[in-house]
Amino acid sequence: LAKTTQPISMDSYEGQEVNITCSHNNIATNDYITWYQQFPSQGPRFIIQGYKTKVTNEVASLFIPADRKSSTLSLPRVSLSDTAVYYCLVGPPRGSNYKLTFGKGTLLTVNP
Amino acid sequence: EAGVTQFPSHSVIEKGQTVTLRCDPISGHDNLYWYRRVMGKEIKFLLHFVKESKQDESGMPNNRFLAERTGGTYSTLKVQPAELEDSGVYFCASSPKGGTNDPVYFGPGTRLTVL
Repeated sequence: LAKTTQPISMDSYEGQEVNITCSHNNIATNDYITWYQQFPSQGPRFIIQGYKTKVTNEVASLFIPADRKSSTLSLPRVSLSDTAVYYCLVGPPRGSNYKLTFGKGTLLTVNP
Repeated sequence: EAGVTQFPSHSVIEKGQTVTLRCDPISGHDNLYWYRRVMGKEIKFLLHFVKESKQDESGMPNNRFLAERTGGTYSTLKVQPAELEDSGVYFCASSPKGGTNDPVYFGPGTRLTVL
């Protein structure tokens, strides 16, 4: 599976828009890009998945350029409760029941 | 609908002892996975059940680890004998059978401390 690279940590203030970029230069044609969120003392939780261009749901937006070698998770107007580790994964789409490969993730700290 | 549950939430044992972790997947989910994160490392895949059968156990670290899923419902992960390097957080996850658009759902994890 393609290796991903993302910032180790980021800080923001409440109400800001946060963008976390992930690099995946070796992404395969069939790979999807998936983001998970993990709060302390909890397991990872699926946030969003996309293949190309832009995907938006009630939690976040995912921007994927044409070359798909990177992606950006956008969290609008973050709150303190958005403090968590965010993981970028590449691989088969959800529902394919394939093992997930996690990287180190990005620790997002939202400050008041 | 209840999520994936794990028991215990935290276990502290001494080196050489045996520990059994339990996972109850979301009802009706055929796929059950075990992952773990040891200190300072990434979350790593251990194994994957489809119902009661082991689909992929390529991530199991050694033969001190034994996972079972009798009847295709809940699963146990036994570590015998436990070593210091087994300390970490063990996550269970589940997902429906293939062909759905559902992601993998994770439990809260069991923190294992081996002294």
